[in-house]
Amino acid sequence: DQQVKQNSPSLSVQEGRISILNCDYTNSMFDYFLWYKKYPAEGPTFLISISSIKDKNEDGRFTVFLNKSAKHLSLHIVPSQPGDSAVYFCAASRPTGYALNFGKGTSLLVTP
Amino acid sequence: DTGVSQDPRHKITKRGQNVTFRCDPISEHNRLYWYRQTLGQGPEFLTYFQNEAQLEKSRLLSDRFSAERPKGSFSTLEIQRTEQGDSAMYLCASSLGLGVRNTEAFFGQGTRLTVV
Repeated sequence: DQQVKQNSPSLSVQEGRISILNCDYTNSMFDYFLWYKKYPAEGPTFLISISSIKDKNEDGRFTVFLNKSAKHLSLHIVPSQPGDSAVYFCAASRPTGYALNFGKGTSLLVTP
Repeated sequence: DTGVSQDPRHKITKRGQNVTFRCDPISEHNRLYWYRQTLGQGPEFLTYFQNEAQLEKSRLLSDRFSAERPKGSFSTLEIQRTEQGDSAMYLCASSLGLGVRNTEAFFGQGTRLTVV
């Protein structure tokens, strides 16, 4: 049962515009959420995280928003750059669990 | 390079053979994880070590799979009697656990297993 869902397999955005990647979760016990970026033939690279006590976390061009009532989070990339083209994974964990539950990923393509 | 290191990067094996993968975590990290990723899927949790203790195992980890982390340093993942369904990318990650809260896990580049 997929507890973390990324319903958009792919997204194409023009350079300089905003990229918005969405993620939904079903397990209300999740309290920590992360975004990872993955290039082909490499392992996932940590990008940004957010605790459930917050609704926003910002790091440079990357902002993650959390809506606990909707069990939804999103990653905003502004402005998007061609080097951002990668697969983005949303992940979540429980307070007493150590495993990360990943979504299937969204492939972002930023075109010049 | 002080990141998570995995060896080998690629492994091709015949069905029925045993394979072993190695992971060297970031040196100060006390937590180590193994994940498996198949095409079109996100990484799926397999098992977790805190220091040398294996504290959590997924139901995905059948009895053909065994993982060790002797002395709380590097870890090995062994698959016995490999099957074609075992073909996947095997990812290792490590993190610095502070109490019950994890910090972000850092992943290695993975070992790509192909069972023919």
